[in-house]
Amino acid sequence: KAGVTQTPRYLIKTRGQQVTLSCSPISGHRSVSWYQQTPGQGLQFLFEYFSETQRNKGNFPGRFSGRQFSNSRSEMNVSTLELGDSALYLCASSLFGGGRTDTQYFGPGTRLTVL
Amino acid sequence: QQQVKQSPQSLIVQKGGISIINCAYENTAFDYFPWYQQFPGKGPALLIAIRPDVSEKKEGRFTISFNKSAKQFSLHIMDSQPGDSATYFCAAGDAGNMLTFGGGTRLMVKP
Repeated sequence: KAGVTQTPRYLIKTRGQQVTLSCSPISGHRSVSWYQQTPGQGLQFLFEYFSETQRNKGNFPGRFSGRQFSNSRSEMNVSTLELGDSALYLCASSLFGGGRTDTQYFGPGTRLTVL
Repeated sequence: QQQVKQSPQSLIVQKGGISIINCAYENTAFDYFPWYQQFPGKGPALLIAIRPDVSEKKEGRFTISFNKSAKQFSLHIMDSQPGDSATYFCAAGDAGNMLTFGGGTRLMVKP
């Protein structure tokens, strides 16, 4: 079975621009979660989508948004980029919704650099 | 507010030694405690997980010890190998299907 794939792997943007990241979950998985990983803050939960609906949301500003399509693929959008948005963005998929219910499988991440 | 505190931030162990990483949590609603291993350029991968109804879980060289009253849990890596060199994250999950991660520990196992 193919793992979680994320595109692009690397991205360089300038302040004020917007960016869209893509995640394809493992076949059959319906839950997709997004995390931001930085050296200073570690891994922080952004949001989770299940069957095209946002089910959980972390403590991030509204500039961070996402969506999920009927085939479970998910996109994450960041508008009006700030320098502090530079991070590794990780996507994780699971059958029903990670946490205590089942295992989350992570993709390799998208490295976003904001100049 | 950091709800899961992990220590140490970095750890150097000789090959064959025991690596110990500790985590403490505050939220008593947490009831699922996984450990993830991350190699450079890769996403985290689940290593081992425990629920609070048991005090210890062992899988090969990896053991989780859990102390519910102290709200602490730890990962022990026995007979540490250079291939174990990676960053380790503890995490805690609740009924909301969200994982809260610790800050990570960078482990280096010297040959």
